[in-house]
Amino acid sequence: QVQLVQSAGEVKKPGASVKVSCKTSGYSFTTFGISWVRQAPGQGLEWTGWISTDTGNTNYAQTLQGRVTITADTSTNTAYMELTSLTSDDTAVYYCARTPVGSGMRYFDYWGQGTLVTVSS
Amino acid sequence: DIQMTQSPSTLSASVGDRVTITCRASQSISFWLAWYQQKPGKAPKLIYKTSRLESGVPSRFSGRGSGTEFTLTISNLQPDDCATYYCQQYNSYPLTFGGGTKVEIK
Repeated sequence: QVQLVQSAGEVKKPGASVKVSCKTSGYSFTTFGISWVRQAPGQGLEWTGWISTDTGNTNYAQTLQGRVTITADTSTNTAYMELTSLTSDDTAVYYCARTPVGSGMRYFDYWGQGTLVTVSS
Repeated sequence: DIQMTQSPSTLSASVGDRVTITCRASQSISFWLAWYQQKPGKAPKLIYKTSRLESGVPSRFSGRGSGTEFTLTISNLQPDDCATYYCQQYNSYPLTFGGGTKVEIK
């Protein structure tokens, strides 16, 4: 069965960086993209970016451009999201989600369990 | 960016009722819309995409719409349907979500 298992929660100080992992199994890694979606406490969902695990092509939310980097390791079927220059506004649960690569098919059909990133001094 | 507006933000209904959630896009997104169900402390779950119900989702859920206006209807509301529902457009980047509709049982 398809599974996306994320790394454990992190507590970071303002200005630091965080890197969250998403290990996948149960399907062919390079036939689907991976997206990252975050959810601040008590708030809605915000897409942060996407990677084609086949080509390495990426697309990021403009609000995070320059601070977010998404990568994929095809040898371990794992995707990563790194966010730099953290502020308290980045406190959120970060989800990875499998994303079909067909033309226009940028929805999220399987999700990881979420990783809480807390930014606090 | 395409803005997605959901209404209502909260909905309270009785078991067995028919409830409808509306999602409006700030410009046409054709049929490129998905709906997710999220229960407290859990990841969202895809329930509907591109005019199709996901496998395993009860048939009391149905979706309609195209262009800028979409609806998700739950007929015969059940206690297990208590959750927050989000729409998401995937017509163009950046991918955007509606603000969510919390469905409660009276």
